[in-house]
Formats: sequence, structure tokens, C-alpha cells
Amino acid sequence: DAGVTQSPTHLIKTRGQQVTLRCSPISGHKSVSWYQQVLGQGPQFIFQYYEKEERGRGNFPDRFSARQFPNYSSELNVNALLLGDSALYLCASSLVLAGQQETQYFGPGTRLLVL
Amino acid sequence: DAKTTQPNSMESNEEEPVHLPCNHSTISGTDYIHWYRQLPSQGPEYVIHGLTSNVNNRMASLAIAEDRKSSTLILHRATLRDAAVYYCILRDLADYKLSFGAGTTVTVRA
Repeated sequence: DAGVTQSPTHLIKTRGQQVTLRCSPISGHKSVSWYQQVLGQGPQFIFQYYEKEERGRGNFPDRFSARQFPNYSSELNVNALLLGDSALYLCASSLVLAGQQETQYFGPGTRLLVL
Repeated sequence: DAKTTQPNSMESNEEEPVHLPCNHSTISGTDYIHWYRQLPSQGPEYVIHGLTSNVNNRMASLAIAEDRKSSTLILHRATLRDAAVYYCILRDLADYKLSFGAGTTVTVRA
């Protein structure tokens, strides 16, 4: 079975531009989470979507937005890019089971460089 | 979010066991202890998790102190492919997100 896939793998943008990152979850997984990983740090939670609804949001500005489609794939949008948005953006999918700790399965990430 | 403390780095020789400590003195009764690892140029991957009892799987073992204020991830025979950043994460049953710290960078010498 295919794992979590993300596109593009790398991206270069300039300050002020907008970017859209894409994620396809593992087949059967209805939850998608997005994380930002700045070089040298652990990933930081941005959003989680479950059944096309936002389930949670981390401490990120409104420039960051996301959505989940009927096929459970997801997009992360970042507007008005800043140099500090340069990072590895990770997508994770999970199978939500009531009363159980859900394991998150991560994709390889999209590396964004803002110049 | 409950906090965990891990050493910045550890070194090991190939074929030898690796014991990765994690302190979590403020753990609550409903917090599970999760371990993920991140190999170079990859996303994190699940390793193991537990609540109170020690746990084993094909990747590793998790030893949890009786007072639950600390735990140890044990890699029984390190290989070069185990070189990664290992993250110890506390997660409540209702918590949908993972709260990563800086983790421990494990280097395996051939």
C-alpha cells in the first residue's frame, strides 16, 4: 500500500507570495494533520482535519489555512510568505478509532524555501 | 502540554543496545508515552507507545518507571539504519496532535 504522499517535494518562493502544498493520505485514513519543521527543531503542529472539518489548530497566524477534500486529501495554503516560513512541511494521516491512541503516519514532507 | 526532557545526543556502536532516557515528571494519569523517530531526510515514524506497563514490539522496547515520571526506549541491537532523531512525546487519550520537542540525536558507529 502507498504511504502518505506530498507534493511538491521542493519549492522556492519569494517573500509576499502564496503557496499551496498538497497531501494524499493513506487509503482509508480520514484524518490529516499538518506540521511545520524548522531546521534543527522538532515538528510543530499546524492543523488537523477529520472528515473534512477542522479538528484542531496550532499557534500559527491566519496566513496559514488548510482544507480537506471529499477524497480526504488535503491542501495547506500559506499567504504573504515570510522568510521565517522556510521549513519542511509535513503531512500525517491517521485512522481515527474511538477510545484509542491514533498513530500518525508521516509523508516525506515538502521543503519550502522563501527568498 | 506536558513536558519531556531528553538528552540532546547519544552515540552507540553497531550491534550494541541503545537506552534512550526520557524524563516527564509532570505526567498526568491519562498521558500515554509515545516515541517517534525521524531518519535523515524523512518524516517522523511511529516507534512504540505505552501507558503503565513495559511494551515490546519488533522495533524496540519501552520501559516505564513505576512512578511514570521517566521512561526508557531500548533499541536492542543498533544498526546504522537506526541513526535518527528520537522523540519522546506525552499524549492524552483525547489529544489529536503530537507535541514534539527537540528529541535525541542518535549516532551509530560501524
